[in-house]
Amino acid sequence: SQQGEEDPQALSIQEGENATMNCSYKTSINNLQWYRQNSGRGLVHLILIRSNEREKHSGRLRVTLDTSKKSSSLLITASRAADTASYFCATDGNSGTYKYIFGTGTRLKVLA
Amino acid sequence: SQTIHQWPATLVQPVGSPLSLECTVEGTSNPNLYWYRQAAGRGLQLLFYSVGIGQISSEVPQNLSASRPQDRQFILSSKKLLLSDSGFYLCAWSGGFSDGQPQHFGDGTRLSIL
Repeated sequence: SQQGEEDPQALSIQEGENATMNCSYKTSINNLQWYRQNSGRGLVHLILIRSNEREKHSGRLRVTLDTSKKSSSLLITASRAADTASYFCATDGNSGTYKYIFGTGTRLKVLA
Repeated sequence: SQTIHQWPATLVQPVGSPLSLECTVEGTSNPNLYWYRQAAGRGLQLLFYSVGIGQISSEVPQNLSASRPQDRQFILSSKKLLLSDSGFYLCAWSGGFSDGQPQHFGDGTRLSIL
């Protein structure tokens, strides 16, 4: 079964609004990553948060991690039309095998 | 800088035909290499990963195989394609020296089986 599950599955917002996506996972982790995928392209790494961190920022991105709830959220502030993409979380499952399990993704549409 | 090349970009194959998708990485040595499949509008399914030449871990029993003949080359193959093999195939690499390394993806191959 999927290690990560994102919600909502799809999100449509107006330009300038904030977008929040959530990821839940099932087993303990060492770290969690967020990726972005434009339609028909490969994924691009956005940000990594380790299990001993609670929050990280990168530009307009803010990621939180709650290991007690096994969940993470990605916040994109002041969204732009160019942020339209699918967003995925990926967890290592604390497996020590260098493999990551990706969630099902949130499709974000930012309307101009 | 590191780059990843994946080809072809699109491929249309008849059922029962063989398959070979190639992925090469430049600008790094001893990377971890990955093959994923993505169904339309869905997440990524890990198919194979490799931490070194000749070392392949299979995640899902299926009609596909992978090989790593050189340090920075990863090949996905099939002897006889099935309709269910259709999908978007992505190759990725990450630094192999510690965990928590980001994965870097190629632009994918869209495979359609007729």
